[in-house]
Amino acid sequence: EAGVAQSPRYKIIEKRQSVAFWCNPISGHATLYWYQQILGQGPKLLIQFQNNGVVDDSQLPKDRFSAERLKGVDSTLKIQPAKLEDSAVYLCASSLSFSSGELFFGEGSRLTVL
Amino acid sequence: QQQVKQSPQSLIVQKGGIPIINCAYENTAFDYFPWYQQFPGKGPALLIAIRPDVSEKKEGRFTISFNKSAKQFSLHIMDSQPGDSATYFCAASIGTSGSRLTFGEGTQLTVNP
Repeated sequence: EAGVAQSPRYKIIEKRQSVAFWCNPISGHATLYWYQQILGQGPKLLIQFQNNGVVDDSQLPKDRFSAERLKGVDSTLKIQPAKLEDSAVYLCASSLSFSSGELFFGEGSRLTVL
Repeated sequence: QQQVKQSPQSLIVQKGGIPIINCAYENTAFDYFPWYQQFPGKGPALLIAIRPDVSEKKEGRFTISFNKSAKQFSLHIMDSQPGDSATYFCAASIGTSGSRLTFGEGTQLTVNP
């Protein structure tokens, strides 16, 4: 079974530039999450989708971050404009359903903002 | 209070030792406590999880001990191996939905040969 796919793996940008990350969850997984993991910290939820609807985006900085999950499969997370403090690994995870205890994480996209 | 406090930040043991990682929480509504293991360059992966109705759960060499009254839980790794070297995160949530999962800060474990 293929895991959660993310791209790009690494991205370096200047502050105020924009960046987009892509995620393809495990086939059949209805729930998709984007987490932000700052170096030395645990992952922090940014947004959760159930199929193509947003379940929780309370911790998403909506002035600069946006995410969508068209057709309930792939998802894209965008940051515009980026700030220095956005430097982090952006992890995509999926689960079979809303209440499934196990989250399956991708390898992450490491963003460096200069 | 949504925090989960994890200690120590880093831990070094010899092969065969029993590293212990501790976590504490404040929110008594938490009812699901998973541990995730993360290798460098990889995403976290679920290792083992416990509900508060049991005090201990074992899966292979990994054991969670849970103390509901103290609001603490810990991970023990029996007969640790160099391949166990990774960062371990405890987490807690109300229910099993990932949107309510609060992670600890992580413990970087090194098992020397």
